[in-house]
Amino acid sequence: DQQVKQNSPSLSVQEGRISILNCDYTNSMFDYFLWYKKYPAEGPTFLISISSIKDKNEDGRFTVFLNKSAKHLSLHIVPSQPGDSAVYFCAASVSSYGGATNKLIFGTGTLLAVQP
Amino acid sequence: GAVVSQHPSRVICKSGTSVKIECRSLDFQATTMFWYRQFPKQSLMLMATSNEGSKATYEQGVEKDKFLINHASLTLSTLTVTSAHPEDSSFYICKVQQYFGPGTRLTVL
Repeated sequence: DQQVKQNSPSLSVQEGRISILNCDYTNSMFDYFLWYKKYPAEGPTFLISISSIKDKNEDGRFTVFLNKSAKHLSLHIVPSQPGDSAVYFCAASVSSYGGATNKLIFGTGTLLAVQP
Repeated sequence: GAVVSQHPSRVICKSGTSVKIECRSLDFQATTMFWYRQFPKQSLMLMATSNEGSKATYEQGVEKDKFLINHASLTLSTLTVTSAHPEDSSFYICKVQQYFGPGTRLTVL
């Protein structure tokens, strides 16, 4: 049972445009969400997170939006740069399980390609 | 700079041998560290939670006798893959708080 889903395996965007990566979840207990960027043969790099008490969190070019009623979150990257090309994973956790960033359930990832 | 380090970055071993992977927290002490693995073209899956001073907690389907975890100090956790087989070939990654290590690529021949 896939509790965190990223239905788009890949996304191609022109440099300078907005990249929108989507993630859906099924477990209503999840209350903390994170986005990671990953290159092949490297560990994931933490990008941004959001608690369920918020619906938006922004950090530079990255903004995460959370729609709890729809059990949906998205990552916006503006403007997109060729260096953003990587696999992006969303992850979710239940903060009462010992802490918000502890046991993470990951989506299957979306490969973002930013074309120059 | 790096928050979490792993050693080795890659290892190739023969079937039946044991392999030890180290994970170090560089910036802070961690009573809890997490071990994940990623098979090709799949997502990251939590294997176990490493607890300093007590036994590790394993996820369903992960054999605790095969994947030995030792959390010797507040900055070091080790994962030993015992009697490795080709199906254990994977990318093993540790996590401290929200930060992942660089990962270890294990290839079992």
